[in-house]
Amino acid sequence: ILNVEQSPQSLHVQEGDSTNFTCSFPSSNFYALHWYRWETAKSPEALFVMTLNGDEKKKGRISATLNTKEGYSYLYIKGSQPEDSATYLCAFAGNNRKLIWGLGTSLAVNP
Amino acid sequence: GAVVSQHPSRVICKSGTSVKIECRSLDFQATTMFWYRQFPKQSLMLMATSNEGSKATYEQGVEKDKFLINHASLTLSTLTVTSAHPEDSSFYICSAADISYEQYFGPGTRLTVT
Repeated sequence: ILNVEQSPQSLHVQEGDSTNFTCSFPSSNFYALHWYRWETAKSPEALFVMTLNGDEKKKGRISATLNTKEGYSYLYIKGSQPEDSATYLCAFAGNNRKLIWGLGTSLAVNP
Repeated sequence: GAVVSQHPSRVICKSGTSVKIECRSLDFQATTMFWYRQFPKQSLMLMATSNEGSKATYEQGVEKDKFLINHASLTLSTLTVTSAHPEDSSFYICSAADISYEQYFGPGTRLTVT
């Protein structure tokens, strides 16, 4: 059974704090690792698609790294803002390209 | 760009009735659409993959006669939950993929069967 795990399950930080979450996934038959941001009552929004071991991607204050050999990815948010409050989901795509999802990390940023 | 709409956003129906959920890609042609379901405190689970003009491919454990999927055009796929029961109450969300296979998600449909 393929398993994608995310930690922590939830996180509360103060505005301005930097934070990071972890996604662990199977290290075999890897095709891609996706990060999504999902705000309540909205569509999940794609943040990053990462395919190569050692990949680092950045979008504004958010960045992500990928280690396919050990099966983990980190998502970093620098200087968290209240508008960053959302659930951050990762999804593993194997060679069949089907997405297997983690449960997400729920981030709350207090002003 | 890459906007996907889903309708309705919320539906309550009586046990035994059928409910249709629409998923539309508004500004691109979706070669493939995916239907997911999420039960409380669980992760998104893929139900089926549909390609325009062909039969959907269902994941193990998903009854194709209960969850009818029609993908009649490159911008529209529908999921019909037939003879709904309370255990079908869930959050259903679709995604549409372009030729790069990147998935763009709709906002989801909350189904409650009473």
